[in-house]
Amino acid sequence: QQQVKQSPQSLIVQKGGISIINCAYENTAFDYFPWYQQFPGKGPALLIAIRPDVSEKKEGRFTISFNKSAKQFSLHIMDSQPGDSATYFCAASMSRIDMRFGAGTRLTVKP
Amino acid sequence: SQTIHQWPATLVQPVGSPLSLECTVEGTSNPNLYWYRQAAGRGLQLLFYSVGIGQISSEVPQNLSASRPQDRQFILSSKKLLLSDSGFYLCAWSVRTGELFFGEGSRLTVL
Repeated sequence: QQQVKQSPQSLIVQKGGISIINCAYENTAFDYFPWYQQFPGKGPALLIAIRPDVSEKKEGRFTISFNKSAKQFSLHIMDSQPGDSATYFCAASMSRIDMRFGAGTRLTVKP
Repeated sequence: SQTIHQWPATLVQPVGSPLSLECTVEGTSNPNLYWYRQAAGRGLQLLFYSVGIGQISSEVPQNLSASRPQDRQFILSSKKLLLSDSGFYLCAWSVRTGELFFGEGSRLTVL
């Protein structure tokens, strides 16, 4: 069952633009919401994460916005660069044990 | 520092043959261990996770099984592979913070 729904499936952004990826979850027991970045042929790596008691978290050009009442969270990549081209996964877990991932968004940043 | 090793990296197997993928973690004790599958163009599907030796939780029973014979060793097996078992298999570990650390993956093609 898909407990985390992610959109869009693919995204093309011009260099310097803002990339926005959205996720929605169903289980209100989720208490940890990370984003992972995956380059072709590699395993995903943690990019940034947020807890439900925080509405926004920023690390460099990457920001998570979290809306607990709507059960939605999103990743914003400011000043997108070609090196950001990768697949991005949102995820959610309960008690930090079983991590459930969204379907992924393939981001292409054009120079 | 912690490292995760996963092998083999690539394998091609006929339908009906057995499967064994191995994963070991170094530099940490009592990690949570995971097996995920990533089908082409799709997200990460949680197959199994383990919070300790001999403790396996299954999300997708199908024809796959997992075992944890040692604290830092996780094995994914099948007695008879199906065409639908083709995919990119990722082993991962985590500690209490919830961050998942993925291996390099094993690409399985069933013919």
